[in-house]
Amino acid sequence: EADIYQTPRYLVIGTGKKITLECSQTMGHDKMYWYQQDPGMELHLIHYSYGVNSTEKGDLSSESTVSRIRTEHFPLTLESARPSHTSQYLCASKGHRETYNEQFFGPGTRLTVL
Amino acid sequence: GENVGLHLPTLSVQEGDNSIINCAYSNSASDYFIWYKQESGKGPQFIIDIRSNMDKRQGQRVTVLLNKTVKHLSLQIAATQPGDSAVYFCAVPGGSNDYKLSFGAGTTVTVRA
Repeated sequence: EADIYQTPRYLVIGTGKKITLECSQTMGHDKMYWYQQDPGMELHLIHYSYGVNSTEKGDLSSESTVSRIRTEHFPLTLESARPSHTSQYLCASKGHRETYNEQFFGPGTRLTVL
Repeated sequence: GENVGLHLPTLSVQEGDNSIINCAYSNSASDYFIWYKQESGKGPQFIIDIRSNMDKRQGQRVTVLLNKTVKHLSLQIAATQPGDSAVYFCAVPGGSNDYKLSFGAGTTVTVRA
C-alpha cells in the first residue's frame, strides 16, 4: 500500500471559487505528478515536479497551478473553478531509486464544479 | 507525450477463463512498460512491469508479453476472478531518463459469474 494521500476525496463547489487539492506522500519521493482523468478514460499529465522548488507543466494544458515547497507536499490550486474543471484529479509520486519503475498513486479527488 | 493505444475499450470474461488485454505504443526508445489496474473509486495500482530487453515476464496469475518488433504488449490474467474487474492501463515512459508516463485509454474488464 503506497503512502500517498489526497484530500479532499470529493469536492462539490460553485463556479468562481478558489480551491486547493492537497497531495502528500511519506515515502521521501523526489518526483511528484498530477493527472486529470475523466471516468474510465486515460490519465493526462497536467503538472509534475522533480524536486523542491521545481515544477513543470504536463502534456495537457491546465488552468491550475502547483507548488513544491516541501518534498512531501504537492498541492494543486484552481484560482477560479469552472464547470469544465469537473474531473478526477490523481496525484502520484516516484522515488529516485532505479530498482523500480512505477509511480505510486493516491486515491484521487473527484471534483464537481456547479 | 508518447502515443499509447489499447485495442479494445471493454472486455467481458467468464469467471475462471483467461483474459488478454492489449496495448500498442509508438516510441521505440521506451526502456520499460507498466501495467496498472484501477478499481472503481481508487487510484491506479501497479500490477507488473517489463523492461525492454525482455519479451516475457510473469507475476502472480499475470503475464506480460512484449513484442518490440510490432511495438505491442499484452497483459494476460489467468483464471480471472471477480476481483479482477477493473480498468487496466498500459503506461509507457517517453524514453531513457524520462520520468513521465503516457497512459493508454484503458480496457474495462468485467468478470461474469
